[in-house]
Amino acid sequence: GQQLNQSPQSMFIQEGEDVSMNCTSSSIFNTWLWYKQEPGEGPVLLIALYKAGELTSNGRLTAQFGITRKDSFLNISASIPSDVGIYFCAGLNAGGTSYGKLTFGQGTILTVHP
Amino acid sequence: DAGVIQSPRHEVTEMGQEVTLRCKPISGHDYLFWYRQTMMRGLELLIYFNNNVPIDDSGMPEDRFSAKMPNASFSTLKIQPSEPRDSAVYFCASSLVVGLRSNEQFFGPGTRLTVL
Repeated sequence: GQQLNQSPQSMFIQEGEDVSMNCTSSSIFNTWLWYKQEPGEGPVLLIALYKAGELTSNGRLTAQFGITRKDSFLNISASIPSDVGIYFCAGLNAGGTSYGKLTFGQGTILTVHP
Repeated sequence: DAGVIQSPRHEVTEMGQEVTLRCKPISGHDYLFWYRQTMMRGLELLIYFNNNVPIDDSGMPEDRFSAKMPNASFSTLKIQPSEPRDSAVYFCASSLVVGLRSNEQFFGPGTRLTVL
């Protein structure tokens, strides 16, 4: 089935550093979503992207929809301890016939040391 | 506004028992999704509904799993009989088809299921 390759798998950084993670796909996507999941909770939607080349910010978070429509990245600037969690990318395959059938990346585990 | 509500938050049961997980979607949302999350397989879509009708259940692992949505504000995921390999966190999510934002799914807090 369709898979997203998300990297890196994990990151250990110091507070104040910038973070970058990305997702790539072998096929074209119509939508890219970025979620954050904290321990014991469900994923929370951070940013949604709908157009190739789109660059969207949400506070210290910035995400882009790749021009090829096969990739997306998420940047976090000036990380703080509460940024800790698992970040997931998710996408909707442009060739799919089933609305809503998002494909999720494997997740990036972020640890921020004070 | 209340988000997606799931119950119970934790369930511990013995192999062979029936398990029922419950979900209340965000009011007004017309799509409801059931996911399973494990370390090995990540987030997997099990089944989803549109306007209470099951649309795609190809992710349901086997006949022991069933899901219903009797009305717009309630859905259940049932496992009978349960097995240890069913141990996972089960999430419910909902969304509303509104133009471009149709694919934004909002997740509940999950039910952590442990089958002994």
